[in-house]
This record gives sequence, structure tokens and C-alpha cells, in this order.
Amino acid sequence: DQQVKQNSPSLSVQEGRISILNCDYTNSMFDYFLWYKKYPAEGPTFLISISSIKDKNEDGRFTVFLNKSAKHLSLHIVPSQPGDSAVYFCAASAFNNNDMRFGAGTRLTVKP
Amino acid sequence: ETGVTQTPRHLVMGMTNKKSLKCEQHLGHNAMYWYKQSAKKPLELMFVYSLEERVENNSVPSRFSPECPNSSHLFLHLHTLQPEDSALYLCASSQGGMTQGKAFFGQGTRLTVV
Repeated sequence: DQQVKQNSPSLSVQEGRISILNCDYTNSMFDYFLWYKKYPAEGPTFLISISSIKDKNEDGRFTVFLNKSAKHLSLHIVPSQPGDSAVYFCAASAFNNNDMRFGAGTRLTVKP
Repeated sequence: ETGVTQTPRHLVMGMTNKKSLKCEQHLGHNAMYWYKQSAKKPLELMFVYSLEERVENNSVPSRFSPECPNSSHLFLHLHTLQPEDSALYLCASSQGGMTQGKAFFGQGTRLTVV
């Protein structure tokens, strides 16, 4: 039962352009969402989060948008840089629940 | 360096072997987790320890046995594994549970069962 889905296994963008990574979820109890970034041979590192009381959270070049009615969130990276090339995981959890569900990841490649 | 260290980084073991994965966190967190990542699949939560007590066990086979001797250390004991158990095993820690703070992950142990 995959409650968090990242339907695009890979994405390639040109340096300087916008990268948009998408994530869909099925559990309406989820109220906290995160994006993690993973480089090869390293563990995932936290990137940005959003709670369900907001629809947008911005941190520098990274912005996460949440559409609760569509059960959809997206991560925007602008401008994209070659160093952003990594696998990005979307994660979701319900309040006070330790079981954070992850998507399968999207591999982003930013070309110089 | 995330403050969470896993050893070994790579492990190859036979199906009859017994081995242990180790995780250590230097962040003062009170919760630790084991995740499994198989190829092209989402991270799967295996075990959660909060204040050194196991609070979650997601139907993991008994051939995986966790141990949390103190708040800084977490082990995953492995015995009589199957080839399908080959995966990346990730340890994570957080303060106050996953929803109250972001989790910090170790670099993972790449396990191959032959």
C-alpha cells in the first residue's frame, strides 16, 4: 500500500531553469510533509517541510507547494544548479505518528 | 556529516551468517529508526525506538532483531537472511518523533545476501 507516490522516476533540466518535482498522497490523515535529498553513497538529508495549515513554504531557491484538496505537493527549485543533481524523496506523516511514509524518489539531473 | 554514523558501509553475508549493523548518533536525539530501501522502492520503516523503548515494529520478519542499549546507539542484528533482504539499510534519529522534527539519516549500510 503505497500511500506516497512520486510518479516520475527521473527528471532532467537545464542549469538556470526551474525544476518541478511532484508528489501525490492518498492518506487524508497526513498533515506534515517533507522533502529529502539524497546523493549517491550518502543518506537522505532534510531539505524543506510544510505542515497542512500552509499551502506554501519557501527557503531560498526551494519552495514547496501543498494542494490538500488534490492531495498533491510539489518542490520547485529555481534556478536549478548542477549541484542539485540528486534523488529527491517526498515524505508524509500524520500528527504524532512515527510512521513517516516515503515516496520512491525522483532522480533530478541538472545539466550545465 | 549528519551526526548519525552507520557501520559497516558495505556488508556481504551468506544466508547462514549472523551479523549486526550499528548506528550511532551524536545529536542528543531521543528517537532512532531503522529504514530499508530496496531498489526503486520507497523507504520502508522497520523499527522505531523512542526513549530506548521500541514503539513500532512494522511487521518485520524475526530474522531482523533490533537493539537499542542507550539513546545514542541502535543495532540491527541479522540472522538467516534471504537474498531478497539485500538492500540499503538506513538509520535515522530525531528529537520528539518524526512529525515534531526532521530526521537525520546515516549514510546507510549496503547489504548483499548471497
